[in-house]
Amino acid sequence: GAGVSQSPSNKVTEKGKDVELRCDPISGHTALYWYRQRLGQGLEFLIYFQGNSAPDKSGLPSDRFSAERTGESVSTLTIQRTQQEDSAVYLCASRFDRGLQETQYFGPGTRLLVL
Amino acid sequence: AQSVTQLGSHVSVSEGALVLLRCNYSSSVPPYLFWYVQYPNQGLQLLLKYTSAATLVKGINGFEAEFKKSETSFHLTKPSAHMSDAAEYFCAVSGSAGNKLTFGGGTRVLVKP
Repeated sequence: GAGVSQSPSNKVTEKGKDVELRCDPISGHTALYWYRQRLGQGLEFLIYFQGNSAPDKSGLPSDRFSAERTGESVSTLTIQRTQQEDSAVYLCASRFDRGLQETQYFGPGTRLLVL
Repeated sequence: AQSVTQLGSHVSVSEGALVLLRCNYSSSVPPYLFWYVQYPNQGLQLLLKYTSAATLVKGINGFEAEFKKSETSFHLTKPSAHMSDAAEYFCAVSGSAGNKLTFGGGTRVLVKP
């Protein structure tokens, strides 16, 4: 079956512009995550969606970052007024909601470069 | 809070030699532990995970890891390195900080012929 997909795969933007990143999770996965991976670093948690519950936004670095999810499907991560420090790979992951032992499956990521 | 420490950001091994990647964690509750591999310009792929069923976990591509509670460790090993093992490896823990994974900083493996 299809895995997690993300678009675009690469995005170059100018400082101050807004960008929107998209994630399509695996069908049936009710939990969806966004992570950020800066060059040479590990992954930082950004936000988590679970069904109809309020999302866990505790990892969002500033109010320029926001995310939405439509039901149990597509999610979009929006970065407003991008800054150069936002340059990173943004990874989306999804999993079944059967407990924390369940594997998170990752998409290929969106590589964002802010000039 | 939970955290993960991976000792060594870079490891170089000869083809056919043992691969050992170290991971230590802290967690206030029994953890679930994961090892992921990331090949260049690709997303993360699960190698193996510990979910309390067995302390020695076998994964894909000949990798295995042993959960040692007394040492709060979950080191990853492979008896014989292959050129295709060149990648970055991430250890992660979940269990005490909501539903997110907390990742270590990653270890990049270079395999020399």
